[in-house]
Amino acid sequence: SQKIEQNSEALNIQEGKTATLTCNYTNYSPAYLQWYRQDPGRGPVFLLLIRENEKEKRKERLKVTFDTTLKQSLFHITASQPADSATYLCALDVGYDMRFGAGTRLTVKP
Amino acid sequence: EPEVTQTPSHQVTQMGQEVILRCVPISNHLYFYWYRQILGQKVEFLVSFYNNEISEKSEIFDDQFSVERPDGSNFTLKIRSTKLEDSAMYFCASRLQGGLNTGELFFGEGSRLTVL
Repeated sequence: SQKIEQNSEALNIQEGKTATLTCNYTNYSPAYLQWYRQDPGRGPVFLLLIRENEKEKRKERLKVTFDTTLKQSLFHITASQPADSATYLCALDVGYDMRFGAGTRLTVKP
Repeated sequence: EPEVTQTPSHQVTQMGQEVILRCVPISNHLYFYWYRQILGQKVEFLVSFYNNEISEKSEIFDDQFSVERPDGSNFTLKIRSTKLEDSAMYFCASRLQGGLNTGELFFGEGSRLTVL
């Protein structure tokens, strides 16, 4: 069956450190993968998209990697801040639709 | 900045009642979606809609659910006879393009449905 697994339900780190979140998938062949941020009671907000032919994508303090051989994406937040505390979702394309992982809840402590 | 708007923000209904959740997608977007999120759980795909018809639906989207784009702006989700397990946050989303030239999904703030 198809699965999208985000390895940690919750991740706690100290302010200033780098947060690394993992997304693994099985029985999908996505052409691209996206990462979203979701705050409590709010809708997901798009952060980054990476295509299958791209190894790495950066946007300010965010970095995403995509390894189609390992079927894995890593999402990094460098110099983390308490304001980065949220749930981060990875999403895979399934034709014209997107399917989401369960998310990793990140808490950045001052 | 353009945004997806959803109404109502919260609806409480009795089991067996019909509910209509409304969404106004971003005006030039072509692809429309409904997702739901049961409290504490993942965002689950329900249905996608393009060119005035359903393009994909999940196993959750059974005969109790329907979608409609009654005019050029609204996109609605109807639940015919609500069940307790329909209690969830329902998110509408839209995007400009799909397929290989796709972009991001823009989500609304959600409609929280509570079935008693």
